[in-house]
Amino acid sequence: EVQLLESGGGLVQPGGSLRLSCTASGFTFSSYTMNWVRQAPGEGLEFVSRISTSGGTTYYADSVRGRFTISRDNSKNTLFLQMNSLRAEDTAVYYCARESSGWHPFDYWGQGTLVTVSS
Amino acid sequence: DIQMIQSPSSLSASVGDRVTITCRASQSISSYLNWFQQKPGKAPKLLIYAASNLQSGVPSRFSGSGSGTDFTLTISSLQPEDFATYYCQQSYVTPLTFGPGTKLDIK
Repeated sequence: EVQLLESGGGLVQPGGSLRLSCTASGFTFSSYTMNWVRQAPGEGLEFVSRISTSGGTTYYADSVRGRFTISRDNSKNTLFLQMNSLRAEDTAVYYCARESSGWHPFDYWGQGTLVTVSS
Repeated sequence: DIQMIQSPSSLSASVGDRVTITCRASQSISSYLNWFQQKPGKAPKLLIYAASNLQSGVPSRFSGSGSGTDFTLTISSLQPEDFATYYCQQSYVTPLTFGPGTKLDIK
């Protein structure tokens, strides 16, 4: 059974940092592009970042570029999102999502981890 | 970036109704269009990929159509568990943008 489990969320002050993790199981992690998607309270879904299978290619939404860093450790089946210089508008539930090949749908999602940026 | 527009933004319907939600892309995305269902407090669930392909395990009352810039999601006969928010997403080019969502609630 495919499972994605996020962790690392919490309350952080503006300007602070947080590192999210997403631990994968039930599939060959190293064979899949992975993504982070977030959802602010009461709002819609927003693409955050994407990383290729090897980790060699990454992409960021304009809203986080230069502040967030996506990475992965294929030996530990884990995806990361390092978030620096956090702002109030980064407050959201952060989901990791597996991207299937071919038409690139996000076919499996984690349960999400809440990040709250507030003083 | 490709912008995705959904209509309506909200919709009230009854069990047994046929419902259609539309999604429009700001440029052609071929058939790289996916539909998700999200219930409160839960992660999104993939329903349809590549515009018209039913994801494994999804009931056949859900269907999708369209190509280029205009797409539709149809639920042929609403069931109580279908009341949720629905999002379209283009997977043609990064960033893989989502529509703003359509909230479907009980009339």
